[in-house]
Amino acid sequence: RKEVEQDPGPFNVPEGATVAFNCTYSNSASQSFFWYRQDCRKEPKLLMSVYSSGNEDGRFTAQLNRASQYISLLIRDSKLSDSATYLCVPPGEGGKLIFGQGTELSVKP
Amino acid sequence: DTAVSQTPKYLVTQMGNDKSIKCEQNLGHDTMYWYKQDSKKFLKIMFSYNNKELIINETVPNRFSPKSPDKAHLNLHINSLELGDSAVYFCASSYRGQGNNEQYFGPGTRLTVT
Repeated sequence: RKEVEQDPGPFNVPEGATVAFNCTYSNSASQSFFWYRQDCRKEPKLLMSVYSSGNEDGRFTAQLNRASQYISLLIRDSKLSDSATYLCVPPGEGGKLIFGQGTELSVKP
Repeated sequence: DTAVSQTPKYLVTQMGNDKSIKCEQNLGHDTMYWYKQDSKKFLKIMFSYNNKELIINETVPNRFSPKSPDKAHLNLHINSLELGDSAVYFCASSYRGQGNNEQYFGPGTRLTVT
């Protein structure tokens, strides 16, 4: 299994839709996870941190299933401004972050 | 107030040249990182310093040499630049003392080697 694998994109959804991204990871010892978003030609920005079974912040909900080594990100009521690449990021040894390819989301009017 | 800043933002240079990229953070973090994002968009760790001590050194050509004069600064010097070094280089910082390692990224330096 790769260190981190995400749903291939792109996801094209209308405004107001609910969309979910999935991510699997290989390191069963990982205790925390991060979701970052990256806009085109910009730096990754921390969206959510997940330290237990999940986290919710407004329209965004992250869930962690340690048994299956699977985490998800749910976005409700999508906005045009949510269009970006979403990166599932488990930490690796020494504190480095392991970035996958990311999932591209495009929200259309 | 820029939390993590990098200079320059763009760098165009010829093969064989030597160049440096600088990074500064004003978040009070104790750990800083260099990541490389290539044309395929994968972000990969290169180096990490914790309190000026090198703690991560991935498989990177020794033409790349990081230097951390203090906790708030991490520079990257690249010797004998090659075409394959063209990429976006991101600096990041975190506070490892909290144990959560949330990392905050600078705006990136887009390096083009011709």
